Amino acid sequence: DIQMTQSPSAMSASVGDRVTITCRASQGISNYLAWFQQKPGKVPKRLIYAASSLQSGVPSRFSGSGSGTEFTLTISSLQPEDFATYYCLQHNSYPPTFGGGTKVEIK
Amino acid sequence: EVQLVESGGGLVQPGGSLRLSCAASGFTFSSYWMSWVRQAPGKGLEWVANIKQDGSEKYYVDSVKGRFTISRDNAKNSLYLQMNSLRAEDTAVYYCASFLYSSKDYWGQGTLVTVSS
Repeated sequence: DIQMTQSPSAMSASVGDRVTITCRASQGISNYLAWFQQKPGKVPKRLIYAASSLQSGVPSRFSGSGSGTEFTLTISSLQPEDFATYYCLQHNSYPPTFGGGTKVEIK
Repeated sequence: EVQLVESGGGLVQPGGSLRLSCAASGFTFSSYWMSWVRQAPGKGLEWVANIKQDGSEKYYVDSVKGRFTISRDNAKNSLYLQMNSLRAEDTAVYYCASFLYSSKDYWGQGTLVTVSS
């Protein structure tokens, strides 16, 4: 199975900060990478698919980049509603595997 | 409005069985791969299984192979997960979702499965 390693596992940030989350795959996955946001008690929501395509309805402050084994999710200016846990997911090969998550908390 | 509504969760003893259902509406169900994703209490997300539009391909995470069966009924716009030989580590919220191989992202609210004596 492909292992997805997210870093950091948790972070504190302030409103307006630029935030970058990294996901590394244990082997190449081309661009078969998605990013999800999950707020406490809520359903996951996909932000990015195909590594860099913005999901319809998602604010443009979210962006994704990368290919192969290293990927990043960037929030250009953190908003109060962005405090949540973020997960990457690879679906290049079965089984699809999620990263361990990055919890973004208020500083 | 797209809706995915799961049902069938509950408390079951180790070794027992449950059948989860997911009723879909608001989109062309038969055109989408469908997945089950679970989340143990306080833990991260885990993909469990998925099924192709016509049911001809099914895939499972190793930990449920031989115990869980995914199926669908396109005439009823419904997805199912038959879970047998349940273990404590299967305790989780189970989400019905469609996000693989698509630009769409649909999730149900989830149903809680608790495996405990």
